[in-house]
Amino acid sequence: SQTIHQWPATLVQPVGSPLSLECTVEGTSNPNLYWYRQAAGRGLQLLFYSVGIGQISSEVPQNLSASRPQDRQFILSSKKLLLSDSGFYLCAWSYGWGNEQFFGPGTRLTVL
Amino acid sequence: QKEVEQNSGPLSVPEGAIASLNCTYSDRGSQSFFWYRQYSGKSPELIMFIYSNGDKEDGRFTAQLNKASQYVSLLIRDSQPSDSATYLCAGIYNQGGKLIFGQGTELSVKP
Repeated sequence: SQTIHQWPATLVQPVGSPLSLECTVEGTSNPNLYWYRQAAGRGLQLLFYSVGIGQISSEVPQNLSASRPQDRQFILSSKKLLLSDSGFYLCAWSYGWGNEQFFGPGTRLTVL
Repeated sequence: QKEVEQNSGPLSVPEGAIASLNCTYSDRGSQSFFWYRQYSGKSPELIMFIYSNGDKEDGRFTAQLNKASQYVSLLIRDSQPSDSATYLCAGIYNQGGKLIFGQGTELSVKP
């Protein structure tokens, strides 16, 4: 069966500090991978998606970036965090396009 | 702009009742729809998906899709307090393949 991991589970960072969130998927190969952000009381905002190693598509211009160094690894980064970057960050995977997505446990980020 | 709309709620139903959650979408190009349940502080989990007109049943859950009227609904029979959560509706557009999420409806089932 497939499993998706995210870490860390929670993170408190000062404004201007760097960020690195990691997501890995087990039990499947060549999945589509996605990063979402959910602000408090808000819906899910798609940030990035990837259909393969090194292939990243950005949905929202901002100070975040994503990378996919390995088939089942997806990383979300920032060089300098803003207060508005606070939120619940979710990684998801799917079998190709047009199929259901499965979410990881999420990382709750607070920027102070 | 492709959109998926849901009433934010909260929707409150007594234990044992039928909870009816509704979702409308703006683009007739939508092909498939998904219902996710999200408990407070947790990540969304997939409940059901539907891509054909009509009803699809899975245990206490029934998803309904009406493409002519562009709405999707989720019925929860014999609602339990453990069903209290936010329910997210999402549609997928085959041209882009991305999920478009609604804002979610908060459901509260009172014992």
